[in-house]
Amino acid sequence: GAGVSQSPSNKVTEKGKDVELRCDPISGHTALYWYRQSLGQGLEFLIYFQGNSAPDKSGLPSDRFSAERTGGSVSTLTIQRTQQEDSAVYLCASSPLGAAGREQFFGPGTRLTVL
Amino acid sequence: DQQVKQNSPSLSVQEGRISILNCDYTNSMFDYFLWYKKYPAEGPTFLISISSIKDKNEDGRFTVFLNKSAKHLSLHIVPSQPGDSAVYFCAASALVPAGKSTFGDGTTLTVKP
Repeated sequence: GAGVSQSPSNKVTEKGKDVELRCDPISGHTALYWYRQSLGQGLEFLIYFQGNSAPDKSGLPSDRFSAERTGGSVSTLTIQRTQQEDSAVYLCASSPLGAAGREQFFGPGTRLTVL
Repeated sequence: DQQVKQNSPSLSVQEGRISILNCDYTNSMFDYFLWYKKYPAEGPTFLISISSIKDKNEDGRFTVFLNKSAKHLSLHIVPSQPGDSAVYFCAASALVPAGKSTFGDGTTLTVKP
C-alpha cells in the first residue's frame, strides 16, 4: 500500500519568504508527526496531531512555525519569514490509533534550503 | 535536557562481525523502546522494538536488549552486512503522552566488506 508521502521533495527559498510543506499520511492513520533533522543532528520533534485532540505543539521552535491537519488527513507545515537556520530536512510520520507497537511510518522528507 | 542519548555518533565494523549500538535514557516513565534505520535521502524505517516488560527481543539478525535498572538498551546485529550501513535511531515512548516518541541523535553504522 501507499506509504507516507511528502511534497515537495526539495525546496529552495530566499530568506524572509514563507514556505509550505505538505504531508499525506497513510490512510487511516490518526496520528501525524512533524520532525526536522538539521545537518549532522538527530530528529527534532516539532508537532504531533492525534485524532481530534488539540495538537501537541511543544516542539515548534518559534511562532514562525505552524501546522494544520485538515479532515484528519493531510497536514501542512508552514514556516513564515524563513531564516537560514531553518534549513533542514523536514520529516513527516504517521501512526495508527492504538498501535500496540507504537512505531511511526515516515515519509521521505522535504529538504528545505534557505539562501 | 536530552532524555534519549546515543553517545556514539559513529561505529565501524567488519562484515560478518557483530555490531552493537547503544542507547541510554533518563525518563523512568518510558515503557516502550524502538530502533529505526535511516538510509540517506530516505525517511527512517522501523526496525525492532521492545516493551519494558521484556529484557530481550530478537528478530532474525537483530536483537534488542533492555536493562531497565541501568536505563540502557542496545541493538545487536549479527552478522553485520554492508547493507546494514545506515544511521540508527533509538526512540522511547511512554503511555502518556500516548503516541509520542523521543528520539536519540542517531549512530552512523558503517559495515566494511
